[in-house]
Order: sequence, then C-alpha cells, then structure tokens
Amino acid sequence: DAGVTQSPTHLIKTRGQQVTLRCSPKSGHDTVSWYQQALGQGPQFIFQYYEEEERQRGNFPDRFSGHQFPNYSSELNVNALLLGDSALYLCASSLNRDRVNTEAFFGQGTRLTVV
Amino acid sequence: AQKITQTQPGMFVQEKEAVTLDCTYDTSDQSYGLFWYKQPSSGEMIFLIYQGSYDEQNATEGRYSLNFQKARKSANLVISASQLGDSAMYFCAMREGRVTDKLIFGTGTRLQVFP
Repeated sequence: DAGVTQSPTHLIKTRGQQVTLRCSPKSGHDTVSWYQQALGQGPQFIFQYYEEEERQRGNFPDRFSGHQFPNYSSELNVNALLLGDSALYLCASSLNRDRVNTEAFFGQGTRLTVV
Repeated sequence: AQKITQTQPGMFVQEKEAVTLDCTYDTSDQSYGLFWYKQPSSGEMIFLIYQGSYDEQNATEGRYSLNFQKARKSANLVISASQLGDSAMYFCAMREGRVTDKLIFGTGTRLQVFP
C-alpha cells in the first residue's frame, strides 16, 4: 500500500521564480492538505483540497495556490518566491468519510531552498 | 485562538527507560482531536497516536500512550522502553472539530535516546 508521495524531494530556486510541488495521496484517500515547516518550527497549515476545490485556507498570501486533480493528487504552486519561502513543504492525505476526516498521513516532504 | 504548547525543547532518556513529552492545548471547542507525530531527520511526519476529546480512556498504541487530562488541557505522550530509533523530533498537534483536517502544531520536542 503506497503511502503519501511527494516530488521533488529537494529543490533550489531563485528569488522571484515560481515553483510547483506535487503530492500523491495514500491509496484510498481523497483529501489533501499542504503544510509549510520552517527550520526549527512546527508545520503551518497552508490549505486543504477536497473534491478538486480548496476547502480551507491558512494565513498564507495569494502567491500560494493549489490544485487537486480527479485522481486526488495535488499540486502546490508558489509564485514570486521570497527568501522566507525556504522551508520543508509537507503534504498530508486523509479520507473524508461521511464528512468526518480520518487521521492524516504525511509524505516525506519537499525541501525548498530559495537563493 | 487555538494553540499547542510544548515547553520542552529537548529531552534525553536512556535506552529502555520511559519518557514523558509534555503538551498543553488551548481551544474553546468541545469537539477536537489530539495527535502526536514523530519526525526523524528524513523529514516525514509519522503518525503515532490519536486521542479524541470525547474518548473516556487514554489512547495506547504499542509503546506509546497518551496521558489525556481534559480539565488541565494536557495531552502528554509517554514512550515506554525507549529505543535508540526513538531519537527524533516529536510534535503534538490538535484538530478542531471533525470535518476539517487543519492541524495546529506545537514547536516540537527533540528526544535523544542514549545507550
């Protein structure tokens, strides 16, 4: 049973560029959430996708956008990268069973470095 | 506002001994869930244990148990018979309600197990 997979594992981008991170949820899961984890901090919720729509959003600017595909996989896009966007980006998936979400399982993350 | 507090930046424990990692939370909701995750240096967040706010008994999963004291708003993780492989960052997290997957994380505790 494949868990949550994220790609790429590492990425280096220049300030002002755009980046796309990808996530495939655990088999059977239909909900994907994205988190940003700065060095030495706990993860911060960015947004969550269910049924191809953004269902909830954290306190992140519009430069952060996402998408969910019919196969439940998801992308996180960040435009106009800033040095402060350097972080580990984690994807978590769960199952929306009768409007009750099961426990979230995380991927190994994408480590983004902005120079 | 919802908040998770982990006051121990670092903890040391000898192999085969038990250790308690502290977590307190703040919420005005009656329905919420509490989680503990382990994050090794590889970055993946590994789900350890879950406690629902209406669960009357403390959760246990193998060597992990959660000491849930609702009136004190604490959800401490107890690891029994520590192993060298338990060395990692440990995060306490809270999910409010049951529909959303938004998790609020603490700042984490780094546990080091020595022989």
